[in-house]
Amino acid sequence: GDSVTQMEGPVTLSEEAFLTINCTYTATGYPSLFWYVQYPGEGLQLLLKATKADDKGSNKGFEATYRKETTSFHLEKGSVQVSDSAVYFCALSVDTGRRALTFGSGTRLQVQP
Amino acid sequence: DAGVIQSPRHEVTEMGQEVTLRCKPISGHDYLFWYRQTMMRGLELLIYFNNNVPIDDSGMPEDRFSAKMPNASFSTLKIQPSEPRDSAVYFCASSLNRASSYNEQFFGPGTRLTVL
Repeated sequence: GDSVTQMEGPVTLSEEAFLTINCTYTATGYPSLFWYVQYPGEGLQLLLKATKADDKGSNKGFEATYRKETTSFHLEKGSVQVSDSAVYFCALSVDTGRRALTFGSGTRLQVQP
Repeated sequence: DAGVIQSPRHEVTEMGQEVTLRCKPISGHDYLFWYRQTMMRGLELLIYFNNNVPIDDSGMPEDRFSAKMPNASFSTLKIQPSEPRDSAVYFCASSLNRASSYNEQFFGPGTRLTVL
């Protein structure tokens, strides 16, 4: 079946540090890939997405590149801020008619001033 | 658009009581999803609907859980009777039935349920 594996958290960084959160996937079809972010006390928000191999999704300084050869979709940001502290979820959707997303377990990011 | 609306935002009840969670999806969205989030199990899909019809309820934990979607703008998730292990945050999400949407889902703020 489809699955998403994320690195364990929490990830603790100082402000302006470089961020990488690893995400790998297995899928029965050709998936679209997503990163969602959950700020404290809120629902999930779409951060970025990529729908085909080698696409790069980007938003708010975050980037992730769809790597079919390594089945990965790692999230990166060059300089994190305290306001980026949140839980980040990698997810996939396969175009097999089943519309539900498959989520990873989430990675908590804590950015210290 | 106001986004996905859920009510109540917080619910505290006693074991054995009936709990009803409510969701209003984004207008025009064809799909509606119910998720549960806990520390132990993360984010789990419970059930989803397409055009008000339940498509996949394999994630519903047991018969105590039921979900309905009587019309395109309203869905309920009911737990009867509730148990302490049902304590979690329940999210509703909706999405469009368009190939260009790539299944992007829009989430509500969640209902935090505590069963004592």
